[in-house]
Amino acid sequence: GQQLNQSPQSMFIQEGEDVSMNCTSSSIFNTWLWYKQDPGEGPVLLIALYKAGELTSNGRLTAQFGITRKDSFLNISASIPSDVGIYFCAGPATYTGNQFYFGTGTSLTVIP
Amino acid sequence: NAGVTQTPKFRILKIGQSMTLQCTQDMNHNYMYWYRQDPGMGLKLIYYSVGAGITDKGEVPNGYNVSRSTTEDFPLRLELAAPSQTSVYFCASSYADRDYGYTFGSGTRLTVV
Repeated sequence: GQQLNQSPQSMFIQEGEDVSMNCTSSSIFNTWLWYKQDPGEGPVLLIALYKAGELTSNGRLTAQFGITRKDSFLNISASIPSDVGIYFCAGPATYTGNQFYFGTGTSLTVIP
Repeated sequence: NAGVTQTPKFRILKIGQSMTLQCTQDMNHNYMYWYRQDPGMGLKLIYYSVGAGITDKGEVPNGYNVSRSTTEDFPLRLELAAPSQTSVYFCASSYADRDYGYTFGSGTRLTVV
C-alpha cells in the first residue's frame, strides 16, 4: 500500500518553542488530514486540507497543503505540555470505501 | 454523545485462542473501519464496511474476519491468534463524504503470547 513518510520521527522541545513537521507521499492527494493521538487514546482530527496551497489554522496549529500535492506541513506555535502526543498525516486511498493512508507519525515531547 | 466505543481496552491471548473485538458507534455513520497500529508503522487498514451487510478487505486482512449486521456495530474476529497479531487495534467510523475524516475509538491493546 501507499506509504506516507513523516519527519521527523520524534521531537523533544522546550515549552514555548515552535514545532514544524511534514509529510510526503509518492502520489498526488486531493485531501490531507492531520490527526493527533494522545497517549492511550485514538487519533483525533485536527485539520483538514482540500486544495493545493491551502493554509488552515486551528488555534496554535497551522497546516499547509503543498503546491505539488505530494506533501503537507504542520506547525505548532508556542508549544505547551498538552501538545505531547503522536501527530499523523493522512491522505485518501485510491480504492473505494473511503479509506485513508496514514503516515508513520511524529512523536512530540514537550519539556516544561 | 459516546462516539465510537471499543471493548475490551486490554487483552492477553494465548497462541491459537480466538476472540472478538467489539466496536459500536452512535453517530449513524455508514462507514466503519478497523485499523491496527504497530510501533513506528502508522495505522494499517484491516477491514472496512460501507454499510450494514457490506464488508471488504483492507491492506492487512489475513487472520481476521468481520461482520456488519447493523449500522452501529462492527466486530472484529481473530480466529487463531498469533504473536504477529500483537498490536493496538482501532475502530473508526465516518460519513460517506470522507473529507470530514474519521472518528476513532480509544483502542484495544492486544498481546498474544
